[in-house]
Amino acid sequence: QKEVEQDPGPLSVPEGAIVSLNCTYSNSAFQYFMWYRQYSRKGPELLMYTYSSGNKEDGRFTAQVDKSSKYISLFIRDSQPSDSATYLCAMSLNTGNQFYFGTGTSLTVIP
Amino acid sequence: EPEVTQTPSHQVTQMGQEVILRCVPISNHLYFYWYRQILGQKVEFLVSFYNNEISEKSEIFDDQFSVERPDGSNFTLKIRSTKLEDSAMYFCASSRRGMNTEAFFGQGTRLTVV
Repeated sequence: QKEVEQDPGPLSVPEGAIVSLNCTYSNSAFQYFMWYRQYSRKGPELLMYTYSSGNKEDGRFTAQVDKSSKYISLFIRDSQPSDSATYLCAMSLNTGNQFYFGTGTSLTVIP
Repeated sequence: EPEVTQTPSHQVTQMGQEVILRCVPISNHLYFYWYRQILGQKVEFLVSFYNNEISEKSEIFDDQFSVERPDGSNFTLKIRSTKLEDSAMYFCASSRRGMNTEAFFGQGTRLTVV
């Protein structure tokens, strides 16, 4: 199933760096775009979601959706060691039930 | 902070055996979900459940799988006759409304079929 593609990394950055995480998708009908953070041995934790195109900002995190390119991004500013985790993108057709997840990108922020 | 709780954290079972994975959703949530993640692969949707019935299921959720809300607090996933390929991390999630953007996930049950 190749509906959602995500570079698995691993990605390693120094503390304070700007991190860019990306996903591409093939189904133009997707409307809801989510980013989850998953720490080791834990379940996914919702960071942000965006409806349709545009940007959304929450503290150090910014989510961007470009539906024309079928491309979504998550930017983390001033990255911290506590941001070290796997980041999963997910998307759905509507507020119905099924998410389609990416494989996740493993991020390490080095102090 | 309320959370979704899953038990056990790790289950080892023999091929062909039945297993029941248990979940306690957040208390005022009405929508319940199961997802699974095979090692190194994507998180995949299995089933959603609302008002004591399945509202959506994926192709993975065949006749070997069933879900139940046996009482007011638990939500279970049963696999009738486990196969080696059922080995995965199984995540339960719940949401107050049918907004998947508000779903909270449990920490997962690692199922190993030997």
